[in-house]
Amino acid sequence: KQEVTQIPAALSVPEGENLVLNCSFTDSAIYNLQWFRQDPGKGLTSLLLIQSSQREQTSGRLNASLDKSSGRSTLYIAASQPGDSATYLCAVRPGDYKLSFGAGTTVTVRA
Amino acid sequence: NAGVTQTPKFQVLKTGQSMTLQCAQDMNHNSMYWYRQDPGMGLRLIYYSASEGTTDKGEVPNGYNVSRLNKREFSLRLESAAPSQTSVYFCASSESQGSNYGYTFGSGTRLTVV
Repeated sequence: KQEVTQIPAALSVPEGENLVLNCSFTDSAIYNLQWFRQDPGKGLTSLLLIQSSQREQTSGRLNASLDKSSGRSTLYIAASQPGDSATYLCAVRPGDYKLSFGAGTTVTVRA
Repeated sequence: NAGVTQTPKFQVLKTGQSMTLQCAQDMNHNSMYWYRQDPGMGLRLIYYSASEGTTDKGEVPNGYNVSRLNKREFSLRLESAAPSQTSVYFCASSESQGSNYGYTFGSGTRLTVV
């Protein structure tokens, strides 16, 4: 069974600092890895999707890397803003249809 | 806007009551899913439908039933609600194959069983 771990569980940084969120998974046989953002009381918003053949994906201030062989992905958020405060979820898609989620990292960016 | 639509957004049930959560997607996706999200437990798969006409159990199917009504719609039914089913329920959809495709989630249904 695929296990997905996100460290740290919570993170608090001052505005302007770069954020580094980690995700590890136990089975490297994956189709893709997806990072989501979830605001309190809201649904999941997809941020980035990295295919298994890719090493990284970028969107604006967000960059996600994937090292499939070591079972790791990192989400970098540059120059954090208070609006980046949310919970970030990592999800791995294995060979079947079912995403496996990490428990998330809750980020607070202090103004 | 294209996406996944869930109804209702909020619901309070008494123990033993039944209800159906509705989900519809307009992206022509083949696969649809129901997840529940609980504090400290993360997101757990209840049921999924790989394609129209098929449904399968996920991690936590007990107490639930599903119907894939057509390609667009996938409903989740609680036949006899229990307090343990108090949770936030999310519906999602995706293409069935290929690494290019991610999941799209609805905004959730917040269910309280008293």
